[in-house]
Amino acid sequence: NAGVTQTPKFRILKIGQSMTLQCTQDMNHNYMYWYRQDPGMGLKLIYYSVGAGITDKGEVPNGYNVSRSTTEDFPLRLELAAPSQTSVYFCASSSQFTLSPLHFGNGTRLTVT
Amino acid sequence: AQKITQTQPGMFVQEKEAVTLDCTYDTSDQSYGLFWYKQPSSGEMIFLIYQGSYDEQNATEGRYSLNFQKARKSANLVISASQLGDSAMYFCAMKLQGGSEKLVFGKGTKLTVNP
Repeated sequence: NAGVTQTPKFRILKIGQSMTLQCTQDMNHNYMYWYRQDPGMGLKLIYYSVGAGITDKGEVPNGYNVSRSTTEDFPLRLELAAPSQTSVYFCASSSQFTLSPLHFGNGTRLTVT
Repeated sequence: AQKITQTQPGMFVQEKEAVTLDCTYDTSDQSYGLFWYKQPSSGEMIFLIYQGSYDEQNATEGRYSLNFQKARKSANLVISASQLGDSAMYFCAMKLQGGSEKLVFGKGTKLTVNP
């Protein structure tokens, strides 16, 4: 029972490079989310999706893009990486039942130098 | 807008004792859920317990209980009989019913259990 799977686990980028963080879930959840966690801080929402083909901005969307072509996958794209994007990124999903908990992936630790 | 406040950056407790981690929230909505997550040093986010705004009884899950005081807008986590493995960051979070069901997090409390 895989749950939410994120790849890669670690990545180092140079300033200006681009990359895609992958996220897939096997629980048939409608809702998916991308959060970032800076050192010593709580999680901040980057983007979210309420179903395939539907995405919307969260609290800190600048510098990121997402797409949701299938129920299972919700990749996060970083364009022109900046040191401010050094963070741990978490993908999460939740069911269509209201107020259900979020299930998180294990995170991707990204360093931009 | 929702807001979660955790005023204790760090807490210490002796093994086998109980500890309360504070959480206050702010929302004008009537339908919402409150969640606690544990983040050990390995980094994963582990769901612990949930309380709905209309639930009359406090939620319990094993050694975890949620002390829900709606009028005070507080949702404190109580861990009974602390274990060394409880040492971790603990995050309180809130979700409003309907719409995107986004989860808003507090800044967390770092709990250290001493032997």
